[in-house]
This record gives sequence, structure tokens and C-alpha cells, in this order.
Amino acid sequence: AQRVTQPEKLLSVFKGAPVELKCNYSYSGSPELFWYVQYSRQRLQLLLRHISRESIKGFTADLNKGETSFHLKKPFAQEEDSAMYYCALKRDSNYQLIWGAGTKLIIKP
Amino acid sequence: DVKVTQSSRYLVKRTGEKVFLECVQDMDHENMFWYRQDPGLGLRLIYFSYDVKMKEKGDIPEGYSVSREKKERFSLILESASTNQTSMYLCASSLGVGAFFGQGTRLTVV
Repeated sequence: AQRVTQPEKLLSVFKGAPVELKCNYSYSGSPELFWYVQYSRQRLQLLLRHISRESIKGFTADLNKGETSFHLKKPFAQEEDSAMYYCALKRDSNYQLIWGAGTKLIIKP
Repeated sequence: DVKVTQSSRYLVKRTGEKVFLECVQDMDHENMFWYRQDPGLGLRLIYFSYDVKMKEKGDIPEGYSVSREKKERFSLILESASTNQTSMYLCASSLGVGAFFGQGTRLTVV
């Protein structure tokens, strides 16, 4: 079965510290994975997708097929990174996404 | 900029009422989605539509129906609202895989 697991409901780090938001997936084929972010009182928006291999707002995410992971990383956290982060996996047959439960990231000053 | 607009930000309805949540997108996207967002559960797909008048059930369609009469508009209908349908409802549209979301409607059923 296709599944996305974000093991941490809440992650709290100090400003300037490294951040790693974990995402593990279960999928038998070639996965397409995404990170979405929702800042307070704002709409959910796409942060990055693994196909693009880009860095957005200092965040990167590398697909590790051996560990079936797609962790989101940033070397130096900033207070404006505080938000809810969701990992998502594209379903096989259509444009639907399977979502993780989300991780709330709090950056302490 | 893609705009996905949900008609209400907050709604309070009584148990048993019929509730309509409206969503409009302005980018001619074929795919539109309705999700529930609940703490600790992430986003759960209620229904999606890949074309006008076409719809498919998502993971939790019970108690809901949808309507897509025009490409830009996707409506979610709660036939008889119940307290367990109190939630944040998110509408999204997409052309490919990346989805664009509305601001959400927080529905409270009392």
C-alpha cells in the first residue's frame, strides 16, 4: 500500500540550528514526492518537489530510495520557517497525492 | 498567480443542515480536489474531479457529495451536517501534479 509517514508531530529547534523534517514513504514504483508548507493563517503551498532537485528558502530534500525517505533539511533555521510541513506522494493512477500527517516546526529565538 | 478561492473562511452550521462549500479557480485547471485537514491526520481526500461533470470518490466520501457543472467551480455538499464533520476544508486545483490550494473553510457544526 502507498503510504507517507512523518514520524514527528512537532519539532522545535533554536534559530540558527540545523533542521531535518523526516518523511518516509511506502511505494513499489518510482515515487514522485513533494513537500508542502503552511504558514500561520496562510494557504498550503508547494515548497519543493524531488524531481526539480531545487533549493527553496534554503530547504533541500533528497530522495533516498534505499531508505525510502525524503527528508527536508535546512542548515540554519530562521524564525520565519515556523510552519506546518507536509510530505506528499503522488498516487499511481492519477493526479492525487497521498499525504503525511504533517510536522509542526517551531523555531525558537 | 493561480487563484483558488473558497467562498467562506468560517462557517457555523447546525446539525442536519445542508451545507454548500464553494471553490473557484481561475487557471483553467482540469483537476480539482476537496480535502479535510484535521490535526494529526494530515489531509484526507474527500472527492476529486478531473473534468466537468466528472467526479471520483476519495478516501472519505461518506456524508459528502460534490458538483462540478463548470470547469472553474467545484462545490462540496454536506447533505446533512453532523458534528463529526467539524473540520478545516481545503480545495485545490492542479494541471499536473503540483496543487494550488484555497485559503480553507473552517466549518463548525453545532
